[in-house]
Amino acid sequence: AQSVTQLDSQVPVFEEAPVELRCNYSSSVSVYLFWYVQYPNQGLQLLLKYLSGSTLVESINGFEAEFNKSQTSFHLRKPSVHISDTAEYFCAVTPLDDKIIFGKGTRLHILP
Amino acid sequence: GAGVSQTPSNKVTEKGKYVELRCDPISGHTALYWYRQSLGQGPEFLIYFQGTGAADDSGLPNDRFFAVRPEGSVSTLKIQRTERGDSAVYLCASSRSAGTSYADTQYFGPGTRLTVL
Repeated sequence: AQSVTQLDSQVPVFEEAPVELRCNYSSSVSVYLFWYVQYPNQGLQLLLKYLSGSTLVESINGFEAEFNKSQTSFHLRKPSVHISDTAEYFCAVTPLDDKIIFGKGTRLHILP
Repeated sequence: GAGVSQTPSNKVTEKGKYVELRCDPISGHTALYWYRQSLGQGPEFLIYFQGTGAADDSGLPNDRFFAVRPEGSVSTLKIQRTERGDSAVYLCASSRSAGTSYADTQYFGPGTRLTVL
């Protein structure tokens, strides 16, 4: 069975500071990896995904995540956060052609 | 274009009652998914449709839960004899996938918040 662990339920960070949201997964087979974001009062949106190829994937708003197979991690990073990044972030994994399994989420609080 | 819509946005019902939750996917999307999100948890997969048929219903918790998609577009999630533990936000998502790949981008609706008193 597959599982996803998001180690931090909440992460406070000052505006313009860097941030890393941690995600580890467990799977005995190859997987696809995702980060979804849920802004206040909005639905879940795909932020970025890793399917194959380059292990570093980027989103259009400055986030990036690196697939590390040996550490079974897919941490999300941004070098400088903005107030508009306040949201809940969900890491998710799917074994090839199987259902998506989500982590419990990490709330990112941007401090002025 | 229009995104995934779900109605109602909120539903309050009493224990033992029957409820229906509706999902309108993005036009042309062949795949449709239902998830349940309990407080403090991530979304939990319930069922996946490819066209009119349920391709994977392994996430439905018990036989009180049932979902249909009769014409391959709108889907209804039906819950019989509701229990307090069914209280959650029910999310619907759709994707273009014509195959079985869950990796195709899923577009989520705003959810229906179900409260069972």
